[in-house]
Amino acid sequence: QVHLQESGPGLVKPSETLSLTCTVSGGSISYYYWTWIRQPPGKGLEWIGHLYYTGTTNYDPSLKSRLSISIDTSTNQFSLRLSSVTAADTATYYCARGPLTDSGYIFDSWGQGILVTVSS
Amino acid sequence: DIQMTQSPPSLSASVGDRVTITCRASQTIGNYLNWYQQRPGKAPKVLIFGASSLQSGVSPRFSGSGSGTDFTLSIISLQPEDFATYYCQQSYTTPYSFGQGTKLEIK
Repeated sequence: QVHLQESGPGLVKPSETLSLTCTVSGGSISYYYWTWIRQPPGKGLEWIGHLYYTGTTNYDPSLKSRLSISIDTSTNQFSLRLSSVTAADTATYYCARGPLTDSGYIFDSWGQGILVTVSS
Repeated sequence: DIQMTQSPPSLSASVGDRVTITCRASQTIGNYLNWYQQRPGKAPKVLIFGASSLQSGVSPRFSGSGSGTDFTLSIISLQPEDFATYYCQQSYTTPYSFGQGTKLEIK
């Protein structure tokens, strides 16, 4: 059973860069897609972007100019960097495995989520 | 971008009831429609993929149907652990998008 765990600062100042890491355990990071999804407080889920283990990325166009997702297969980790953050980026950030191309492109395993607040 | 619209936004029901949640896509998505359950303070969990396929380990009290633009999630014989928020998600094309959620509450 694969396990995902997000880590990073819970508080980021406006205009700075939000950086999070997802550590994958219980399975290999290779041969899968890996995704970041966020959820503003009290609101719904928002797909941020994903990458394949080879490093190929796919980003939400509304975030693309500020976003970078990368992977380190040697440490079984992938990361999110979102620059020039504002209060609108305050959310719980989830990392997830997927989309799984053989199962309807679902996100089948999720981290517990990490709340990131953008505030001075 | 594809917009996903769920109804109702909230729903009250009793243990043992049967409920149905609907999801409509702003354009045809074939059967690329997935359903997730999110309990308070927890990560979402996939229930249904491909509009009607039950994810491994999920109770058969959950079922999905539909294709094209209109989809439904049905839950029979509601149990206390089913009271949660449900999201549909289109996986037809990026940017992937979710419905706004349907909160299922105990009556």
